[in-house]
Amino acid sequence: AQSVTQLDSQVPVFEEAPVELRCNYSSSVSVYLFWYVQYPNQGLQLLLKYLSGSTLVKGINGFEAEFNKSQTSFHLRKPSVHISDTAEYFCAVWTGTASKLTFGTGTRLQVTL
Amino acid sequence: DTAVSQTPKYLVTQMGNDKSIKCEQNLGHDTMYWYKQDSKKFLKIMFSYNNKELIINETVPNRFSPKSPDKAHLNLHINSLELGDSAVYFCASSVEPSTGVGAFFGQGTRLTVV
Repeated sequence: AQSVTQLDSQVPVFEEAPVELRCNYSSSVSVYLFWYVQYPNQGLQLLLKYLSGSTLVKGINGFEAEFNKSQTSFHLRKPSVHISDTAEYFCAVWTGTASKLTFGTGTRLQVTL
Repeated sequence: DTAVSQTPKYLVTQMGNDKSIKCEQNLGHDTMYWYKQDSKKFLKIMFSYNNKELIINETVPNRFSPKSPDKAHLNLHINSLELGDSAVYFCASSVEPSTGVGAFFGQGTRLTVV
């Protein structure tokens, strides 16, 4: 069975500071990895995904994530955050065998001045 | 053009009632899903349909019944609503289960049972 762990439920950060949101997964088969963002009272929007190839993937809004197979991690980073990045961020894993997205519990990114 | 649309956006109803949430996608995707997001923001899959066929049915009470009249629509009917059913329900779609390209989500339906 696949699972996703997001260790940080909340991450407070000042505007223009860098941020890293952590995600670890477990799966016995190859996985596809995703980060989704949910703004208040909105649906989920795909930020970026890792399917194969280069382990560093770039997404929208200046976010990037690095797939580390040995550490089974897929941490999300942004070098300089904005107030508008305040949202809930979800890491998700997909395997062909499960045919579904399994989500982590989410990390609330709170950006302040 | 909205890719995945759900109606209604908000639904307030009394315990014991029966209600439906509709979902439509105009992306030409083969697979559609229903996810439930609880008050702690945890997202869990409920159902998945591929070309109108049920392929995933996670441990969901029988009171919840999905219906897919065609591959662009996946509706969720809930009988005998309970307080614990209060949540945000998200519809999603993807190309097919195995491509791993990710799912596109609707805006959600906030269901409140009083």
